[in-house]
Amino acid sequence: NAGVTQTPKFQVLKTGQSMTLQCAQDMNHEYMSWYRQDPGMGLRLIHYSVGAGITDQGEVPNGYNVSRSTTEDFPLRLLSAAPSQTSVYFCASSQREGGYTFGSGTRLTVV
Amino acid sequence: AQRVTQPEKLLSVFKGAPVELKCNYSYSGSPELFWYVQYSRQRLQLLLRHISRESIKGFTADLNKGETSFHLKKPFAQEEDSAMYYCALRDSGGSNYKLTFGKGTLLTVNP
Repeated sequence: NAGVTQTPKFQVLKTGQSMTLQCAQDMNHEYMSWYRQDPGMGLRLIHYSVGAGITDQGEVPNGYNVSRSTTEDFPLRLLSAAPSQTSVYFCASSQREGGYTFGSGTRLTVV
Repeated sequence: AQRVTQPEKLLSVFKGAPVELKCNYSYSGSPELFWYVQYSRQRLQLLLRHISRESIKGFTADLNKGETSFHLKKPFAQEEDSAMYYCALRDSGGSNYKLTFGKGTLLTVNP
């Protein structure tokens, strides 16, 4: 039982490049979400999904896309990376009740 | 709208001293409150849920609906408690799974 797995752990991108951050969970959780963590800002919700085929925007969705084709996977796509997207990204999953399980994070730097 | 306020960015105490990390919330519905802990450069881990009313690592937290607070307390701080602590809120019913975080409090326990 791996929990929530995020890849890659580290990434450096050039401005304008695109990439996909992967997130997978093996707990059959309905709810998955992406957060970014920035100093002094806490964790801010980017996008979330309440089930396969259903996604919605969070607090800071601009510049990011998501899809949820399966219960297990919830990838986050950066369309055209900008320095303002330099951050640590966390994926999390949850059932209807109980706490959220977080992945180990992806540390992204955009130069 | 859901809002979580952690008024202290930094909190420094000496080993053996009591510690209280403050959390206030604003939500018109029925909230479920959590405390998460993040040790240096690691993933967030669930520390407490108000529903479970349990004590983890000596920490407790009581939901005070009148004061809309969910302060985290420990009577005798240990050096290994040094970490970032986040208070978080979500709706306890319905289909709103969104978890809203405060900006966090960095606790340092000095020897």
